[in-house]
Amino acid sequence: KAGVTQTPRYLIKTRGQQVTLSCSPISGHRSVSWYQQTPGQGLQFLFEYFSETQRNKGNFPGRFSGRQFSNSRSEMNVSTLELGDSALYLCASSLGTGYGEQYFGPGTRLTVT
Amino acid sequence: EDQVTQSPEALRLQEGESSSLNCSYTVSGLRGLFWYRQDPGKGPEFLFTLYSAGEEKEKERLKATLTKKESFLHITAPKPEDSATYLCAVPGAGGTSYGKLTFGQGTILTVHP
Repeated sequence: KAGVTQTPRYLIKTRGQQVTLSCSPISGHRSVSWYQQTPGQGLQFLFEYFSETQRNKGNFPGRFSGRQFSNSRSEMNVSTLELGDSALYLCASSLGTGYGEQYFGPGTRLTVT
Repeated sequence: EDQVTQSPEALRLQEGESSSLNCSYTVSGLRGLFWYRQDPGKGPEFLFTLYSAGEEKEKERLKATLTKKESFLHITAPKPEDSATYLCAVPGAGGTSYGKLTFGQGTILTVHP
């Protein structure tokens, strides 16, 4: 069974730009969650999509947004990038029904200069 | 709000020297606890799910246990390839929070040959 894939793996952007990250979940999984990982804050929950609807959102500004398509693939967008947005962005997929485990992709390393 | 605390922050072991990592949590009601392993620059790799106090799970040199307030990850006769950051996480409460995991800060394990 193929794992979670994320593209691109690396990105370098300039302050003020916007960026879109993509995540393809494990086949059959309907939930995609996004996390930001930094050395200082660790892994923090951004938001989760289930069946094309945002089901939960973490404490991040509105510059962070996402969407999910009918095939469960998900995208995350960050507008007006700030230096502090430099991080490893991880997506995770799960069945989405009940308290089941999440399976993570390799992440997208975003560097904002 | 759910809180997860891991200790120690870092642990150095000699090959073959067994030890334990701790994960304590404060949640409104135990809904499960997950252990992950993360190698540098990669996404977390799922290890175990524990749902009930007293439950134990094993995989190779790793054994995870759960009490009402904490979980332990026991590492028996570790090898250098066990070096990684070990993370524990708890899921959010309620159906709309299935996809939200709250993570601890992790324990960085280094095993010297």
